[in-house]
Amino acid sequence: EAQVTQNPRYLITVTGKKLTVTCSQNMNHEYMSWYRQDPGLGLRQIYYSMNVEVTDKGDVPEGYKVSRKEKRNFPLILESPSPNQTSLYFCASSTGAGANVLTFGAGSRLTVL
Amino acid sequence: AQSVTQLGSHVSVSEGALVLLRCNYSSSVPPYLFWYVQYPNQGLQLLLKYTSAATLVKGINGFEAEFKKSETSFHLTKPSAHMSDAAEYFCAVRQANDYKLSFGAGTTVTVRA
Repeated sequence: EAQVTQNPRYLITVTGKKLTVTCSQNMNHEYMSWYRQDPGLGLRQIYYSMNVEVTDKGDVPEGYKVSRKEKRNFPLILESPSPNQTSLYFCASSTGAGANVLTFGAGSRLTVL
Repeated sequence: AQSVTQLGSHVSVSEGALVLLRCNYSSSVPPYLFWYVQYPNQGLQLLLKYTSAATLVKGINGFEAEFKKSETSFHLTKPSAHMSDAAEYFCAVRQANDYKLSFGAGTTVTVRA
């Protein structure tokens, strides 16, 4: 089944404890992206990648890192999480730009205490 | 820069009534437009997309949307609401050669029995 898989789905952590949210897609998509969803703000893009070893900042990159060493994986790294990073995170991928549909993962709900 | 405005953060309708969700975009050229739905505790699922082939687009679950260039709008409708339509709906826009998908703030739909 074509899908984007995120882990963990739920995580409660404490301020400053490094964590990684993994994202993997099995559709051979070039483009991958991370979004965060907050009430009243919709989805905002954190980082994106147009191919292996090609990443760039989205609208809200502060406090996050990403890497794209393999085409299928695009992990999101929080080096020193803070409470304002408590959010619902989505990974998504597509085969290209424009009209190509973005396929989303099921989401990862992160709480930073 | 492109942006998306969804008028109304919450919409409440009776079962069997018309569902109308409003979306306006700002862009120098007509973009590709998408409507996504998010059911509780799930990821985003594509309802429909506009790609310039036809101004009236039909999607899944009885939804449709009409692209109006003169009004820069892409409103989503469903003639008769079902209880299962209770969800959050997002309008999104993407330019032809752009990878980034920009989202509106979302509209939560409640269906009353």
